[in-house]
Amino acid sequence: QVHLVESGGGVVQPGTSLRLSCVASGFTFAISPMHWVRQAPGQGLEWVAFISSDAKTDSYADSVRGRFTISRDNSKNTLYLQMNSLSVEDTAVYYCARDAEGGSFDYWGQGAQVTFSS
Amino acid sequence: SYVLTQPPSVSVAPGKTARIPCGANNIGGESVHWYQQKPGQAPVQVIYDTSDRPSGIPERFSGSKSGSTATLTISRVEAGDEADYYCQVWDGVVEQRFFGGGTKLTVL
Repeated sequence: QVHLVESGGGVVQPGTSLRLSCVASGFTFAISPMHWVRQAPGQGLEWVAFISSDAKTDSYADSVRGRFTISRDNSKNTLYLQMNSLSVEDTAVYYCARDAEGGSFDYWGQGAQVTFSS
Repeated sequence: SYVLTQPPSVSVAPGKTARIPCGANNIGGESVHWYQQKPGQAPVQVIYDTSDRPSGIPERFSGSKSGSTATLTISRVEAGDEADYYCQVWDGVVEQRFFGGGTKLTVL
């Protein structure tokens, strides 16, 4: 059974950094391209980043390019999202998701919450 | 780049058919995917490659596309189908994904 479990979310201040992790199980992580998708409070889904199975290819949404970095450790079945220069607009639940047919997402984690302190 | 347009809300009576459109002027050759998201839960894929259904998804869920509009159709709607639904496409040239704004399905 496929499981994706995110961690690393929390309360942050503008300009700071945070790293999210996503531990995968139940499938061969090393051959699976992966993604991060986020959802701001009360808003829709926004694709954030993609990484190929061998980590040689990545891509980003315009809203995070240059600030966020996606990476993976296939020996640990773990996906990461390094988020730098965070702003209030980055407040969201961050989901990791597995790449599937036609560029879709077939499995999703339960999400990690990133919130800003006032 | 794609801009996918969905109506904010659709309402339907139980037992009737709900149709949720997803429009874009350049998706004619692209596969469209659909997700269901209930409050407080992660999204669940209900249609992939425009009209294919993942295992475990009821046959009441179907997808189609005509010209620049893809449509998610839910037949014999049940109270448990009440959720937000999102369409999504893949731009393989730049390896980016795009979502529609989402449609809230209300079962009357």
